Amino acid sequence: SQQGEEDPQALSIQEGENATMNCSYKTSINNLQWYRQNSGRGLVHLILIRSNEREKHSGRLRVTLDTSKKSSSLLITASRAADTASYFCATNGNNRLAFGKGNQVVVIP
Amino acid sequence: DGGITQSPKYLFRKEGQNVTLSCEQNLNHDAMYWYRQDPGQGLRLIYYSQIVNDFQKGDIAEGYSVSREKKESFPLTVTSAQKNPTAFYLCASSIRGEAYEQYFGPGTRLTVT
Repeated sequence: SQQGEEDPQALSIQEGENATMNCSYKTSINNLQWYRQNSGRGLVHLILIRSNEREKHSGRLRVTLDTSKKSSSLLITASRAADTASYFCATNGNNRLAFGKGNQVVVIP
Repeated sequence: DGGITQSPKYLFRKEGQNVTLSCEQNLNHDAMYWYRQDPGQGLRLIYYSQIVNDFQKGDIAEGYSVSREKKESFPLTVTSAQKNPTAFYLCASSIRGEAYEQYFGPGTRLTVT
């Protein structure tokens, strides 16, 4: 099955800095989605980018998709303490999502 | 309020017992999903259902069973055959089809001793 895989790093940044996370996948996709999970909670959908799109913005979020390299990046600008969470990418194909292992981000006030 | 609910939040069971996790949604979504999450890991798909009275195995269905008798409900039973059942279980729903995001419940943390 398809598998989104984030760069396996925990990120610790100061409030106000930007945070960038990367995700790679192996097979063709319909779309790629990013989700946030606060500790011990369910996931919250952040943004969806279709396979024919290259870049998408939503508030302080910017997502890019490079289908030739099978990779995506999520940029959070001007981070806030409330952005502290785990971030997952998920690839969508065959009516199901395949999630990566997540990238933990800590924003220090 | 529209949303997806899971109960209970914490569940404790003895080894050898079956246990059923509840998932209910009032979003009028056709599709529902069950995932398992282990510490420091991503989500793995257990079962999913695209429509009432139909469901498919995900990547780790062994030791689990589901039913989809109503559109709003998709209960998951963790059977005694599941070798390592202690985990965080997440239920999600979505509009049917590949173009849509999934909405997640708050999760149930199951501990089996």
